[in-house]
Amino acid sequence: GESVGLHLPTLSVQEGDNSIINCAYSNSASDYFIWYKQESGKGPQFIIDIRSNMDKRQGQRVTVLLNKTVKHLSLQIAATQPGDSAVYFCAENAGGTSYGKLTFGQGTILTVHP
Amino acid sequence: KAGVTQTPRYLIKTRGQQVTLSCSPISGHRSVSWYQQTPGQGLQFLFEYFSETQRNKGNFPGRFSGRQFSNSRSEMNVSTLELGDSALYLCASSFGGPVGMNTEAFFGQGTRLTVV
Repeated sequence: GESVGLHLPTLSVQEGDNSIINCAYSNSASDYFIWYKQESGKGPQFIIDIRSNMDKRQGQRVTVLLNKTVKHLSLQIAATQPGDSAVYFCAENAGGTSYGKLTFGQGTILTVHP
Repeated sequence: KAGVTQTPRYLIKTRGQQVTLSCSPISGHRSVSWYQQTPGQGLQFLFEYFSETQRNKGNFPGRFSGRQFSNSRSEMNVSTLELGDSALYLCASSFGGPVGMNTEAFFGQGTRLTVV
């Protein structure tokens, strides 16, 4: 039958605003998480990662928060710029024998208006 | 430092044919993973190689296979192509640390495969 495309959540912000992108994960055994940014026609670009023994990690203009109790991950982008417009994916790895296997979320489309 | 290089960038194949895609990881990285990205299913894990050995495999049919060479370069092969194999195929490289040790994975630009 005909496949149905994923309906990605969207977030629309004004330039200079802060953006928060959320992700729920399902595997309580996951111990490593990554956020990726994907622009049209390109591969996913690594933004920031966090291990399960942390609940917050900061990078340049980005912060990742991890709440293991509710299995929730968020990416905060400060002073969002038009160049931040892209699809953002969270990815998780369960550790142990899950070598190199990242399980991706469906993605969120971020649109930044000048 | 060069990033992950995938070749070719675009391919058009006919149903029933087979195809080979190539991935050169970042220098020093020993782990290469492959993913399929489609609008309907998103990003899905195919398999992972480390030191020429497949360590992990996703839920894809046997028509999808791969290998890794001693220089860590990897190829994936899809035989008997179907229309549904049309997708962006991505590879990611990482150091591939000790058991249970996760390291950052960096992606290439992907190969856009169209099956007609």
